[in-house]
Amino acid sequence: GDSVTQMEGPVTLSEEAFLTINCTYTATGYPSLFWYVQYPGEGLQLLLKATKADDKGSNKGFEATYRKETTSFHLEKGSVQVSDSAVYFCALSDRNSNDYKLSFGAGTTVTVRA
Amino acid sequence: DAGITQSPRHKVTETGTPVTLRCHQTENHRYMYWYRQDPGHGLRLIHYSYGVKDTDKGEVSDGYSVSRSKTEDFLLTLESATSSQTSVYFCAISPSLRTGELFFGEGSRLTVL
Repeated sequence: GDSVTQMEGPVTLSEEAFLTINCTYTATGYPSLFWYVQYPGEGLQLLLKATKADDKGSNKGFEATYRKETTSFHLEKGSVQVSDSAVYFCALSDRNSNDYKLSFGAGTTVTVRA
Repeated sequence: DAGITQSPRHKVTETGTPVTLRCHQTENHRYMYWYRQDPGHGLRLIHYSYGVKDTDKGEVSDGYSVSRSKTEDFLLTLESATSSQTSVYFCAISPSLRTGELFFGEGSRLTVL
């Protein structure tokens, strides 16, 4: 079945450092790919998405490019802030499936220190 | 913010007791989901609904049942709670299969002693 594998955390960075969180996927169809973020004590919220190969999703300074050749959707931010401390989840959905379900990775905890 | 309310937000119960978690939405979205979140496992789908009285199982449905008698409410029931069901439960809603975007509630933390 469809699945997502993302790098294990936790990740600890200093403010203004570069952040990369790796995500690779396995899918039989043509998935859409997502990054969700969970701030402390809150539910998940969509950070960005890409629906086809070579699409780049971006939001709040974060970017991720849908790479079909490497089945990857790595999340990057050039200069993190303390407010970026959160848990980040990579996810996919199979757009050709009649059952709409998102498959999530295990999540990566990111802590940014001042 | 999407109008999703989960109740209760926190609950402590004992093994063998029934528990019902409620998800209420004011968005009139068709699709509703129950996930559980556990360390090292991310989010795992328990059950989902694609309309009133239309539900289906997710990957970890054993020990759980759901009901959706109205568009706005999706109930998750643990008939006889076990310690392995200690978790944080999230409800999510979506208007369409096409967008792929879910809107999540704030979660319900359940502890089974």
